[in-house]
Amino acid sequence: DTGVSQNPRHKITKRGQNVTFRCDPISEHNRLYWYRQTLGQGPEFLTYFQNEAQLEKSRLLSDRFSAERPKGSFSTLEIQRTEQGDSAMYLCASEAALRGYTEAFFGQGTRLTVV
Amino acid sequence: EDKVVQSPLSLVVHEGDTVTLNCSYEVTNFRSLLWYKQEKKAPTFLFMLTSSGIEKKSGRLSSILDKKELFSILNITATQTGDSAVYLCAVEAPSGTYKYIFGTGTRLKVLA
Repeated sequence: DTGVSQNPRHKITKRGQNVTFRCDPISEHNRLYWYRQTLGQGPEFLTYFQNEAQLEKSRLLSDRFSAERPKGSFSTLEIQRTEQGDSAMYLCASEAALRGYTEAFFGQGTRLTVV
Repeated sequence: EDKVVQSPLSLVVHEGDTVTLNCSYEVTNFRSLLWYKQEKKAPTFLFMLTSSGIEKKSGRLSSILDKKELFSILNITATQTGDSAVYLCAVEAPSGTYKYIFGTGTRLKVLA
């Protein structure tokens, strides 16, 4: 399978715990995005990497959220001291930065439930 | 603030009907508009539109962009139950960095 892979697919955690999600993009895609999607809403942009550099971070992202892409390949999104409002689907997407126009490919998402 | 608005929010039709989904946008530095279909999990790519007036087609689906009026439509003819999904419109509007701005989606349900 050469698509975008996200792990875990589901995560249930108690409020106050830390969680970490992983995203493996399509090989050689140098752009990587994290989005958050709640029920009935479109995906909301969280952060964006070009290779290993985190180039933009949404105002939606509080200090409890951190993302890394250490070697420009896979990425992790960590949420510290989770709150019930963090419950959502976290989507990762990757894109090849080529000349011209390209589209982003999405992973299956990690559904987080904070209880 | 950049925004993408889709209408209707939801739609119920019968198999064989034709539907038109709308997406309007207000963004600075428009680059492209994309349509995605989201069934249960990952949005899957349908179309990318960059130029006005050029229709993109794929089977029963087609889409067109109007950059003057700032909107796009997605048409689905002869709908089937398998078309039931949320259809997302996203605009790529790079402002220093690249990101996609999504609308809330149109939830389409096709009844047999």
